[in-house]
Amino acid sequence: NAGVTQTPKFQVLKTGQSMTLQCAQDMNHNSMYWYRQDPGMGLRLIYYSASEGTTDKGEVPNGYNVSRLNKREFSLRLESAAPSQTSVYFCASSVGTAHQPQHFGDGTRLSIL
Amino acid sequence: GENVEQHPSTLSVQEGDSAVIKCTYSDSASNYFPWYKQELGKRPQLIIDIRSNVGEKKDQRIAVTLNKTAKHFSLHITETQPEDSAVYFCAAAQGSGNTGKLIFGQGTTLQVKP
Repeated sequence: NAGVTQTPKFQVLKTGQSMTLQCAQDMNHNSMYWYRQDPGMGLRLIYYSASEGTTDKGEVPNGYNVSRLNKREFSLRLESAAPSQTSVYFCASSVGTAHQPQHFGDGTRLSIL
Repeated sequence: GENVEQHPSTLSVQEGDSAVIKCTYSDSASNYFPWYKQELGKRPQLIIDIRSNVGEKKDQRIAVTLNKTAKHFSLHITETQPEDSAVYFCAAAQGSGNTGKLIFGQGTTLQVKP
């Protein structure tokens, strides 16, 4: 099993460009999450999807949109990229929401110039 | 909302010594506390977790303790080895934990010197 797969692994954008980060899991998990990781700030939740068909905001949702395409896939979109969105983005999934370990993908390193 | 503070930010120990990382949280409704290990350039990986109905949990050289009254929890690594060198993150479930929303601490960089 691949677990949680994120594409792309690296991306450089110019300010104002748009981009979609892809995430897919093959563990039949119900819940999926998007985090960003910045130096010295740990992981911060952007959006999450408790189950297929639902999405909700996390700590830092501004400037992002998400789509839970089906049970396997959860995408993150930057409509108009800004330098402040330069970060490493991690997708994660869990069986359910309550007290369940989250399994992370390898991350996407995104630079916005 | 929930706030999680983690200390120290860096920790250096000799191989074989013990390491302790401490976290405090603000939301008394939090009831799930996982710990993640992240090696350089890699994904965070769960190493141990504890639920609020348990005061301590142990898995080989790793243990976590929880003090709900004081709202703090700690990671203990005994007999440290060079491969324990990594960044460790604590987290607390926001509210009762039913949403799956985790609030992470800022991370502790552990260096184990051979």
